[in-house]
Amino acid sequence: DARVTQTPRDKVTEMGQEVTMRCQPILGHNTVFWYRQTMMQGLELLAYFRNRAPLDDSGMPKDRFSAEMPDATLATLKIQPSEPRDSAVYFCASGSSGNTEAFFGQGTRLTVV
Amino acid sequence: SQKIEQNSEALNIQEGKTATLTCNYTNYSPAYLQWYRQDPGRGPVFLLLIRENEKEKRKERLKVTFDTTLKQSLFHITASQPADSATYLCALANSGYALNFGKGTSLLVTP
Repeated sequence: DARVTQTPRDKVTEMGQEVTMRCQPILGHNTVFWYRQTMMQGLELLAYFRNRAPLDDSGMPKDRFSAEMPDATLATLKIQPSEPRDSAVYFCASGSSGNTEAFFGQGTRLTVV
Repeated sequence: SQKIEQNSEALNIQEGKTATLTCNYTNYSPAYLQWYRQDPGRGPVFLLLIRENEKEKRKERLKVTFDTTLKQSLFHITASQPADSATYLCALANSGYALNFGKGTSLLVTP
């Protein structure tokens, strides 16, 4: 059963700490998205990779956020330093260039106190 | 600026009726539009895609229409069931770009 795997599922951290979220896309998928979801803003696109190259990270606060794909099986989203306003659910999704639908992971619920 | 608007008010309907959800957009020239379902505590799940040259698409009890002149999509669930209760998200992308999502409309189907 192919699925996108995100870790951790839940993370509580103190303001100023570094947070790293990980995503394993579905094997064979070459497109990876990072979204952030809050009640107020809904799902916001943070970053978009194709074949491990970043295509769009315009939605990501560059001063504290960074997204990478060290290899085809791992995508990471880092926040350093974290702030209370970063509290949200972060979703990773993957897809293939020949198929436009996105497959989402279960999300990482981040709480910054 | 680009906007995707869905009715923020929850839609409450009785079991067996048809639910109709609306998605309006501005400043997009989408190659396609998608609808997703999201249950509490879970990620969105893809339901249907409709391309810019298609007027209507059906899948079982689901029907989607796409009017690029009105810049609007309608999502219908016929013979609704309590299990259809969820939040439904509209998503679209210009060709070659990533999906952007509306905030979703919550649907509650009561027995």
